Amino acid sequence: SYVLTQPPSVSVAPGETARITCGGNNIEKKDVHWYQQKPGQAPVLVIHYDRDRPSGIPERFSGSNSGNTATVTITRVEAGDEADYYCQVWDTSSEHVVFGGGTKLTVL
Amino acid sequence: QVQLQQSGPGLVRPSQTLSLTCAISGDSVSSDLDAWNWIRQSPSRGLEWLGRTYYRSKWYSNYGASVKGRITINPDTSKNQFSLQLNSVTPEDTAVYYCARAASANIVVVADAMDVWGQGTTVTVSS
Repeated sequence: SYVLTQPPSVSVAPGETARITCGGNNIEKKDVHWYQQKPGQAPVLVIHYDRDRPSGIPERFSGSNSGNTATVTITRVEAGDEADYYCQVWDTSSEHVVFGGGTKLTVL
Repeated sequence: QVQLQQSGPGLVRPSQTLSLTCAISGDSVSSDLDAWNWIRQSPSRGLEWLGRTYYRSKWYSNYGASVKGRITINPDTSKNQFSLQLNSVTPEDTAVYYCARAASANIVVVADAMDVWGQGTTVTVSS
């Protein structure tokens, strides 16, 4: 089955730029979605179809997808961005949704 | 505004059946633009997709490999909701369970980006 690999943690100072990666075999051929999850809350969709922001998501959030790596980028990071971030794709071969293992973003 | 409201027991005995319901407001379970998903989350397994149901002239379901054979996801058009049944549970099935909607812009593509989530239900499997 298809595997998505994320770094366990990323740390960044307030005001800086955070980049969280999601690795998968030829992932550029897939649509990648990103979720933000804060403690005790359900995940929130922050990027869909590689780079599109749902309504209500700040422009500071952006996405890209090339080769074997998809990335969500958060500019001008704020304390409120501290959360777990998950990538997700649809694996057509197995007809499954696949999630990455998640990355904990810490704002220093 | 679409909302999903989950209900069901928080404690299930081993070998019994876990049953949860997700009531939909602001959308229809029979919409031919949506897919209705169940996901669970535990510290050991992270986010794990369990399956989905959707309507495209008829009802379809897809189920995750880890629970296939034990899971059923059913729509209930009379109550505008959908349900999860997971049979023969073990302590490994202890998790927070979520329902979620994936909405597409057209009927050809079955969306998988989940834009609306339920509040989550903590389910413990224990005797």
